[in-house]
Amino acid sequence: GQQLNQSPQSMFIQEGEDVSMNCTSSSIFNTWLWYKQDPGEGPVLLIALYKAGELTSNGRLTAQFGITRKDSFLNISASIPSDVGIYFCAGQLHDFNKFYFGSGTKLNVKP
Amino acid sequence: DADVTQTPRNRITKTGKRIMLECSQTKGHDRMYWYRQDPGLGLRLIYYSFDVKDINKGEISDGYSVSRQAQAKFSLSLESAIPNQTALYFCATRDPNTEAFFGQGTRLTVV
Repeated sequence: GQQLNQSPQSMFIQEGEDVSMNCTSSSIFNTWLWYKQDPGEGPVLLIALYKAGELTSNGRLTAQFGITRKDSFLNISASIPSDVGIYFCAGQLHDFNKFYFGSGTKLNVKP
Repeated sequence: DADVTQTPRNRITKTGKRIMLECSQTKGHDRMYWYRQDPGLGLRLIYYSFDVKDINKGEISDGYSVSRQAQAKFSLSLESAIPNQTALYFCATRDPNTEAFFGQGTRLTVV
């Protein structure tokens, strides 16, 4: 299957700090998605990116679709305790049938 | 009510037993998916279906089977459960132009 390399695997930060995580792939994707998973819940979509170079914000979250179409990053500014969770990137290939997920970044925010 | 409902939410079963996980959705989407989540591995695709007559294997279909009983229902079966199938299982739905919507997950433990 497709390999999406997501890093870092986990982060421990202080409330108020900015956070950055990224995903890279050896394949070219048509769509990049970023999801957040709270404990005991399914992943929920944060941001969807459809075009190379696209930079999209959703509140304190900003994500970019890399120019090469093989990478994407997610930034969270001024983190707060409710940002705690696991963040997943997902990429969709040209056939639009399946999404491939990264292994997740576990974020811990200390008040 | 949740758009994507999974039952049961938690299940402990013995090795060799047959078990079925159920998923129903109210989104009206044609496409439904079953994923498995393991720590450090993200979500991996088990099976997916584009309509009631269309079933496709994902990355890790061995040991699993599915049934698409109706547009809104997609069930996952483990014919003879084994301990390394202990995992968190997610059902998801989408239409071609939407992101995936996930259920809350089923935590399965095989002892």
